[in-house]
Amino acid sequence: GNSVTQMEGPVTLSEEAFLTINCTYTATGYPSLFWYVQYPGEGLQLLLKATKADDKGSNKGFEATYRKETTSFHLEKGSVQVSDSAVYFCALISGGGADGLTFGKGTHLIIQP
Amino acid sequence: NAGVMQNPRHLVRRRGQEARLRCSPMKGHSHVYWYRQLPEEGLKFMVYLQKENIIDESGMPKERFSAEFPKEGPSILRIQQVVRGDSAAYFCASSPSTGVKETQYFGPGTRLLVL
Repeated sequence: GNSVTQMEGPVTLSEEAFLTINCTYTATGYPSLFWYVQYPGEGLQLLLKATKADDKGSNKGFEATYRKETTSFHLEKGSVQVSDSAVYFCALISGGGADGLTFGKGTHLIIQP
Repeated sequence: NAGVMQNPRHLVRRRGQEARLRCSPMKGHSHVYWYRQLPEEGLKFMVYLQKENIIDESGMPKERFSAEFPKEGPSILRIQQVVRGDSAAYFCASSPSTGVKETQYFGPGTRLLVL
C-alpha cells in the first residue's frame, strides 16, 4: 500500500533560516506528490505539487523536487518568515486516484522572530 | 469562485446522538472526498463520491458511518450513535475530475466534539 513518512516535529527555526522538511514515500505506480499547509484552525491549502519524476514544484519561496530514485519529495525554503509557522503535510496520490490522498503525519513548523 | 464550503464549522454532540456534516464542492467540481484528522495525526481518507454514486468507501468505518452525494445539494457525511472516539476534524475536498494528476481542494473542516 501507499505510505508517506515525514520528519517529526516540532521544528523550530529563527527567522531567515534555511528550511528543510524531509518526506519519503512508498507507492504503487507513478504517484503525484503534494505539499499542503495547514494554519491553526483552518483547512489544508495546497502549497505545491509535482506529477512526474524530476519535476520541481514551487510556490511562495518553497520548493520540492520529485526524486524517484530516492522516493523523496523534501520541502525547502531559503529564508523562512514568522508567517510560515504552520503544519506542513506531505501527500501522494496514485493509481486512478479513487482511494484519495495518502498523507504523512505532518510537521509543525515554528518560526521565531 | 467560492471555495469548498463545509458546515457547520464546529459541532458538539453527546454520545449516542447523530452528527451530520455537509460539504458543498467548488463550482464545477463533481468529485468529493472526505477525510478525518485525529488530534496530532495526518488526514486519513474515508470515502470518495461522485454525484449519486459512492466510488470508494474503503476508508470508512464499517458501522455507524455513511456518506452520500445527491444529484442536488451538498454531500453529507453522517455519523450515527456517536462515541467519544469520533471526535476529530472532518475535511471535505473536491476536484473537477479524478486521476493521479488532479489536485484536491479542501474545505475549512468541521470539528466534531463528542461529549
